[in-house]
Amino acid sequence: EVQLVESGGGLVQPGRSLRLSCAASGFTFDDYAIHWVRQAPGKGLEWVSGISWNSGSIAYADSVKGRFTISRDNAMNSLYLQMNNLRPEDTALYYCAKDMSYSSPFLRGDGFDIWGQGTVVTVSS
Amino acid sequence: QSVLTQPPSVSGAPGQRVTISCTGSSSNIGAGYDVHWYQQLPGTAPKLLIYGNSNRPSGVPDRFSGSKSGTSASLAITGLQAEDEADYYCQSYDSTLSGSNVVFGGGTKLTVL
Repeated sequence: EVQLVESGGGLVQPGRSLRLSCAASGFTFDDYAIHWVRQAPGKGLEWVSGISWNSGSIAYADSVKGRFTISRDNAMNSLYLQMNNLRPEDTALYYCAKDMSYSSPFLRGDGFDIWGQGTVVTVSS
Repeated sequence: QSVLTQPPSVSGAPGQRVTISCTGSSSNIGAGYDVHWYQQLPGTAPKLLIYGNSNRPSGVPDRFSGSKSGTSASLAITGLQAEDEADYYCQSYDSTLSGSNVVFGGGTKLTVL
């Protein structure tokens, strides 16, 4: 079965750190870019970050640039998001999503065809 | 404020046709970047509905169709059904001198009357 499974969410105080993970199965992980997309409670979707198949291209939303770091381990079929200096506005359901584009060096978000179920991050004192 | 503008809500009766617009600009849709559409049922993860402006993934009914013209795109749903009640999002890519990013529309809530 093709799937993505996120983990690592939780309740954290402002200014602290958290590391999210996304485990992939059922497809050739190292052929595709993967992205993080978040959804604040009652709000719409917000793209957070993306990483190309070989980690050669990495991009971040302005709202997280300098605080979040995306990485992947193709041998482990896993994606990560290191989140530092967390703010209350980072509170959201975080999804990982597979890009449809095959072995592309670009991170244009060419259709996200597989999504995980999400992991909740709550930043509060 | 989303770079891609969608109406907050649309509604229609069962069997009717509804359209959801996604208005961008010359730095995203108008620059030729593809538009993709997602359906998010309550309490679930988004699902890809249309990719590359007008293509349906396997399993998506042909009641759903997408189009793009100029700086805008549209999602049309014909033969509206109760199970179509959901939030719908458009997504594209935005590239300006100050940076480039994947962008989503603000979302449209579809109510089936």
